[in-house]
Amino acid sequence: SQQGEEDPQALSIQEGENATMNCSYKTSINNLQWYRQNSGRGLVHLILIRSNEREKHSGRLRVTLDTSKKSSSLLITASRAADTASYFCATDADRDDKIIFGKGTRLHILP
Amino acid sequence: EPEVTQTPSHQVTQMGQEVILRCVPISNHLYFYWYRQILGQKVEFLVSFYNNEISEKSEIFDDQFSVERPDGSNFTLKIRSTKLEDSAMYFCARGTSVYGYTFGSGTRLTVV
Repeated sequence: SQQGEEDPQALSIQEGENATMNCSYKTSINNLQWYRQNSGRGLVHLILIRSNEREKHSGRLRVTLDTSKKSSSLLITASRAADTASYFCATDADRDDKIIFGKGTRLHILP
Repeated sequence: EPEVTQTPSHQVTQMGQEVILRCVPISNHLYFYWYRQILGQKVEFLVSFYNNEISEKSEIFDDQFSVERPDGSNFTLKIRSTKLEDSAMYFCARGTSVYGYTFGSGTRLTVV
């Protein structure tokens, strides 16, 4: 299976701290994407990083990709209460438009 | 781009009944997908639909499932005879793996 696996499964941090979530996958990819899901809601696309990129930023989000280790990390800086959600990485595969999701990291920001 | 809207947001149905989940708008897009998420579990791929045909389906997408694009703007998922284990959130999406997906807000299906 090429699915991503996030780590940790759950993370609680104080508001203002940085949150780091990791994702590992098994096969070669074209792209890796991160999504956020608030409880019981839809999936929101956060950022896409291509296999030839090593780092990407979007606002308070920083994503890294290490294709040699088949891993990615999502860093959320200066966390806010509104960042409380589940975060999923999703990977594609060559000649394949579907994406496969990992099990997600549940992030809880403590006030 | 307009958001992807799914209807209904919540549906309760009797076991064995047929349900149709709808996704709009999809005009001017070629790639569509259905995913489902059983409560508390990961998001699972069901089917991809390209150029009005199924391009790939998962093991979950058995003969009880079908997808259609009945007109230029709707994309539907039909479950012919629902089972208790079909209870889940169902998400449609448009896009490609190259540029990322836009997901709908989901339909929560409860089979009783």
